[in-house]
Amino acid sequence: NAGVTQTPKFQVLKTGQSMTLQCAQDMNHEYMSWYRQDPGMGLRLIHYSVGAGITDQGEVPNGYNVSRSTTEDFPLRLLSAAPSQTSVYFCASSYGAGIVGNEQFFGPGTRLTVL
Amino acid sequence: AQRVTQPEKLLSVFKGAPVELKCNYSYSGSPELFWYVQYSRQRLQLLLRHISRESIKGFTADLNKGETSFHLKKPFAQEEDSAMYYCALSGYNGNKLVFGAGTILRVKS
Repeated sequence: NAGVTQTPKFQVLKTGQSMTLQCAQDMNHEYMSWYRQDPGMGLRLIHYSVGAGITDQGEVPNGYNVSRSTTEDFPLRLLSAAPSQTSVYFCASSYGAGIVGNEQFFGPGTRLTVL
Repeated sequence: AQRVTQPEKLLSVFKGAPVELKCNYSYSGSPELFWYVQYSRQRLQLLLRHISRESIKGFTADLNKGETSFHLKKPFAQEEDSAMYYCALSGYNGNKLVFGAGTILRVKS
């Protein structure tokens, strides 16, 4: 049971390049989400999904796309990278909605630098 | 709108001293409050949630709806408590978490 996995661990991009951050979980969780972590700002929700085929925007969705074709995978796409997207990205998953006090399980993070 | 405020970026205490990490929230409904912790080189993980009324690693947190606070407390700090602590809030299902900016706790020997 690997939990939540993310690849790559580190990435350097040039402005304007595109890339996909991978996230997978093997816990059969319905809910998955992407956060970015910036100093002094905590974690901010980018996009989330409540199940395969269903996604929605979070607090800071601009410049990012997601899709959820399977329960296990939830990739995050940067369409045209900008220096403002330099951050640490975390993927998280949890059981379905309606569970009070639902715990989220986090991946190890991807550190992205955009030059 | 949901908002979580952690007023201290850094809290430095000596080993054995009491610890209180402050968290205030703003939410129109009935909130679910959590504390998450990130130790050095480890993943962010749940420390405790108010619904469980539990004590984890000696930490407790009480939801005060009148003061809209969920402060994290421990009577005697230990060096291994040094970490980044995040207070988080969600609606009824714990999914769309809103995090505070985080507080770094440093426990000095």
